[in-house]
Amino acid sequence: EPEVTQTPSHQVTQMGQEVILRCVPISNHLYFYWYRQILGQKVEFLVSFYNNEISEKSEIFDDQFSVERPDGSNFTLKIRSTKLEDSAMYFCASSESGQGVGQPQHFGDGTRLSIL
Amino acid sequence: GENVEQHPSTLSVQEGDSAVIKCTYSDSASNYFPWYKQELGKGPQLIIDIRSNVGEKKDQRIAVTLNKTAKHFSLHITETQPEDSAVYFCAASLYGNNRLAFGKGNQVVVIP
Repeated sequence: EPEVTQTPSHQVTQMGQEVILRCVPISNHLYFYWYRQILGQKVEFLVSFYNNEISEKSEIFDDQFSVERPDGSNFTLKIRSTKLEDSAMYFCASSESGQGVGQPQHFGDGTRLSIL
Repeated sequence: GENVEQHPSTLSVQEGDSAVIKCTYSDSASNYFPWYKQELGKGPQLIIDIRSNVGEKKDQRIAVTLNKTAKHFSLHITETQPEDSAVYFCAASLYGNNRLAFGKGNQVVVIP
């Protein structure tokens, strides 16, 4: 069964450094998402992406975050200058469509980001 | 924005018994309600979903019910097996909006 793959599984970074999290969505999917889960808290929506542009972003997704589809298969999340509070599990998801009522989103296994 | 709450936070059941997890949501405009199962070290896996034009949906041992008036939806697992032990998340989204609002998750433990 096709799946979303994320790399690396664990990333350790010094505070203030830039980090790039990578995702390969399911190949025929057109909508891509990033979510994060801080330990002990809910999974939170960050951003959705379609047709090479952001379609929606949350209040968490400020200027230090950016997303990109650099080629036909990868989808990346960049955090420009990491803070301690960016430590979380980051999940990438994709869906075949984003229109209409409820499009199933399929998640990767996540990247655990630890900021020191 | 939408707020989703899940109860109970932990549920222990004997193998073969049924498990029920309930979620409530705040925005009456929400119309899509997926359930995810997360095993240790894995990402959330979609197991079943329901749209607001339907009151119930079943898939083998799993069913979801939706009460739009009360703004709650529930996951029912029958004849539980040890492999059903996991964290279960409910979520909700609005029509035309792909942002999923998640509940906090329920740890389900099936005791052999």
